[in-house]
Amino acid sequence: AQSVAQPEDQVNVAEGNPLTVKCTYSVSGNPYLFWYVQYPNRGLQFLLKYITGDNLVKGSYGFEAEFNKSQTSFHLKKPSALVSDSALYFCAVRGSGGFKTIFGAGTRLFVKA
Amino acid sequence: SAVISQKPSRDICQRGTSLTIQCQVDSQVTMMFWYRQQPGQSLTLIATANQGSEATYESGFVIDKFPISRPNLTFSTLTVSNMSPEDSSIYLCSGTERGNTGELFFGEGSRLTVL
Repeated sequence: AQSVAQPEDQVNVAEGNPLTVKCTYSVSGNPYLFWYVQYPNRGLQFLLKYITGDNLVKGSYGFEAEFNKSQTSFHLKKPSALVSDSALYFCAVRGSGGFKTIFGAGTRLFVKA
Repeated sequence: SAVISQKPSRDICQRGTSLTIQCQVDSQVTMMFWYRQQPGQSLTLIATANQGSEATYESGFVIDKFPISRPNLTFSTLTVSNMSPEDSSIYLCSGTERGNTGELFFGEGSRLTVL
């Protein structure tokens, strides 16, 4: 069975500092990994994905994520946080043999000015 | 990227009634899914909407409670039947483009409050 864990309910970071939002996963076969962001009263927006290739993937709004197969992790990172990055972030996984996407519990990011 | 629109965006419903949510996607979308997001929670997959046939439901969700239709490639409906306050949630329509490596695109969601 597929599963995703986001161990932090909330991450606090000062504006201009680097941020990391953690994600680990479990899936049969090769993982397809995704990050989404949800702003208040909005649907989810896609940030980035890992399918194959380079372990470091870059996405929207300056975000990037690093795939680590041995640690089954896919942490979201940004070198310099903005106040406008404050939102709810979801990690998600899909197995290579299927079409269902399973979401983590979400991590709320607060960026303080 | 795919465009997905849902309606209603929000509604307040009485206990025991049913409400149908409509989802329209553009032609790039091949697979459609319905998710539920309960207050303060993550997204839970309700079902995969299959064109012209019965939806594929996840564990814990049944057709009698959440009937889903997808009469053509670009349109789907989710009905929440015989609602109770526990059904108060955001219901999200989503879809992927061709292949299973694609990301999900989401509608804005339908926020239902059941009194």
